[in-house]
Order: sequence, then C-alpha cells, then structure tokens
Amino acid sequence: QKEVEQNSGPLSVPEGAIASLNCTYSDRGSQSFFWYRQYSGKSPELIMSIYSNGDKEDGRFTAQLNKASQYVSLLIRDSQPSDSATYLCAVSPGFKTIFGAGTRLFVKA
Amino acid sequence: DVKVTQSSRYLVKRTGEKVFLECVQDMDHENMFWYRQDPGLGLRLIYFSYDVKMKEKGDIPEGYSVSREKKERFSLILESASTNQTSMYLCASSPPFYNEQFFGPGTRLTVL
Repeated sequence: QKEVEQNSGPLSVPEGAIASLNCTYSDRGSQSFFWYRQYSGKSPELIMSIYSNGDKEDGRFTAQLNKASQYVSLLIRDSQPSDSATYLCAVSPGFKTIFGAGTRLFVKA
Repeated sequence: DVKVTQSSRYLVKRTGEKVFLECVQDMDHENMFWYRQDPGLGLRLIYFSYDVKMKEKGDIPEGYSVSREKKERFSLILESASTNQTSMYLCASSPPFYNEQFFGPGTRLTVL
C-alpha cells in the first residue's frame, strides 16, 4: 500500500465547475497535510496547508481533513483553465514529507 | 517571498562524470531537501538536512551525497553519474516545525 494515494486522473471538469481532488494516507500519526500545484515543466508550488480536522478555505480553494478516515481533499470552486495542472497531496508524519504521485486536472473552457 | 534558486535549469553530463547541483535559499530556513521526480514515480526524497553540516538519508540516497557548509546552501553530488540518474532534481527548503516546503525551479539532468 502506498503511503499517500491519489487518483492519477486525468480529472476533467468544465470551466466554472467544482473540481474535487482526493487523497488518502496510511500513517495515522501524520500531523501536517499539504496541497501543491505543479504546472507542466515547473516545480511544485504550495497552495494549501491544513493541520486540524475540518475545512480550511482560501479564496477558491478549500482543503478538507478527516484524520479518522485518513482522508484529505481539495475543492477548487469556479474552476478556470489556468487551474489545469497536476495537484500533489503531501503528508508529514514527522520531519519528512511524503508526496503522492499527483492528480492531473484539466479544466475545459 | 521565499526564494529558492538552483544553479542550472538544464544539464547534460556523460556517464562517470562527477556532477554538482547547487541550491540556495534566502529565507534563513533550517531545513533543506533534495528530491528527484520521475514520471509515474512522483517525488522521491534523496537527502535532507536540518542544520548546517547535518545530513540525513532519504528514501533513495544510493549514488548521491550532499554537502551543507552554510545554512543557505545545500549541494547534491552525483559521485559517478549513470544513465539511470537522468531525472528532474528539485531542491526545497522549509522553516522548522511546519514542514511547508518551498521548491526551487528544478534542474533537468540528462546523463548520456
């Protein structure tokens, strides 16, 4: 079992829709959770961090964490073509951070 | 803004060469990391450092070494480059305790 699992996609949504990206992790001791966005040919960019159960909103992005279910999600409201990228879920059980392989998102104009 | 820079965006080397990849961050971060990223395999941690002159092996340290002589600089060394080390190499830094990592632009290394 992979430590951080994401559906590789591609996930395709129309412009203006809500994109929902999901991630599960295996280490119950994990304390810190992150979402990174990576455009093709570029390096990952941190877009959200979440540390406690519940929702955290930042603009069009909402991160959701459920530690009991070992589940993290990212919602992107009013999706734009510029949101088309690979989204990496990352989990820190301790000092190191473990990255998922990423979900490719396409937003169709 | 946090800035992490890497010495080269693209690099082509021959098998057996010694290769140095340099990373510099300007935010006084204690923690620095080296990853490689390959299609289908995601980001894999090679080495990390939580202080000057300190280093820890990551998940795939074989064939690599690192050096951290100053807080802002973390170097990755390929002692004898091989074709299976062709990859995108990403450096990152983070402040203590929070693990939010900031990445450099990456170095795409090709070993012929």
